[in-house]
This record gives sequence, C-alpha cells and structure tokens, in this order.
Amino acid sequence: EAGVVQSPRYKIIEKKQPVAFWCNPISGHNTLYWYLQNLGQGPELLIRYENEEAVDDSQLPKDRFSAERLKGVDSTLKIQPAELGDSAVYLCASSLTRTSGDPGELFFGEGSRLTVL
Amino acid sequence: GDSVTQMEGPVTLSEEAFLTINCTYTATGYPSLFWYVQYPGEGLQLLLKATKADDKGSNKGFEATYRKETTSFHLEKGSVQVSDSAVYFCALLGYKLSFGAGTTVTVRA
Repeated sequence: EAGVVQSPRYKIIEKKQPVAFWCNPISGHNTLYWYLQNLGQGPELLIRYENEEAVDDSQLPKDRFSAERLKGVDSTLKIQPAELGDSAVYLCASSLTRTSGDPGELFFGEGSRLTVL
Repeated sequence: GDSVTQMEGPVTLSEEAFLTINCTYTATGYPSLFWYVQYPGEGLQLLLKATKADDKGSNKGFEATYRKETTSFHLEKGSVQVSDSAVYFCALLGYKLSFGAGTTVTVRA
C-alpha cells in the first residue's frame, strides 16, 4: 500500500516568490493535515481537512498561506509571497476519520523542505 | 491549552544501553498519548500509543505507560540498537494532535 506522497522533497526560492506543495494521501483516508516543522521543533498543525472541508485552519497564516483539497483527495499548500521565516519542513499527513473513542493513527509523508533565500 | 514537554536532547548511548525519554503533558480531559519516531530520511511514524490511564503501549521493544497522576508518558527501551537512532516525538491528542519538540537519539556501536 502506498504511503502519503509529497512533492517536491526540496525547494529553494528567493523571498517574495510563490511556492506550492502537493500531497497525495493514503487511499481511503478522509482526513488530511498539513503541519509545519521548524528545525529542532515538533510539528505544528496548519490546517486539517475532513474530505473537502477545512475544519481547522486557525493556525494557518491566511495573509500569505492558502490550501485547497479539491475532490477530497489531493491537497495543495501555497505560500505567496514567501518570507525568510517560512524556511521549514512542510509535512502532510492523513488518517481515517476520527470516531468516538478511536484516536486514530496519522500517517505522515516525508515532507517538503523549503529554503527561502 | 494542551501541551507536551519532552526531554531535551541530543541523547547519545552505546548499544545495549537503557534508554529513557521523559514526556509530561498538560491537557484538559483525558487525551490519548503517542510516541512518534522519525528515522533518518523518513517520515514520522507511529511507534506506540495509549488511550487511557494506566494503559501501556509497546512496540519494537519500546514501552510507555500512561500515568495520569504524574501526567507523564515516558518512553523506555531496555537495550537499544544502532537502528534505534532517530528523533522521537511525544504527542497528545486532545482537540488536535500536539507534539513535543522531539529528542534526537544516537546509538553508537
């Protein structure tokens, strides 16, 4: 079974340029997450989707970040314009829909490492 | 809000040594607790979990017990191998999954 696939693995851009990351979750996983991981820190949730609906985007900096999950499968995370402080690893994860009493397991992709110069 | 505090690293051990990584949490209610591991060049993956007080999660020789009275979920392994070298993350599932900062473990042959 294929895992969560992310691309690109690495991206180097200059500040003020746009960048986009793509994620293909595990087949059948309705819930999709985008996390931000800064160096030496744990992942922090940016946005969570249940199918096509963004159910938690409270931590997404909406002035420059946007995300979409058309058709409830693949997702794209965009930054425009990128700033120096956006240099980090962007992680995508997916899971089955959480049900009462079942914490569920998140399956992570390998991440997209962004460097903003 | 919910938060996780774990032991700072890096931790360097010799093969067959005993490993402990401390993790404490702050949360309302009764969260589920997890340890995730990230091997070099790979994505985060679930190592073990516990869903209620006194539950013990175990996998690959690692164990952690959900201690409600001390709000802790310490990770232990009795005899580490070089292949256990990785970054370990403690995590808490309340409204959302919250991670600790991670502990880098290096095991030397």
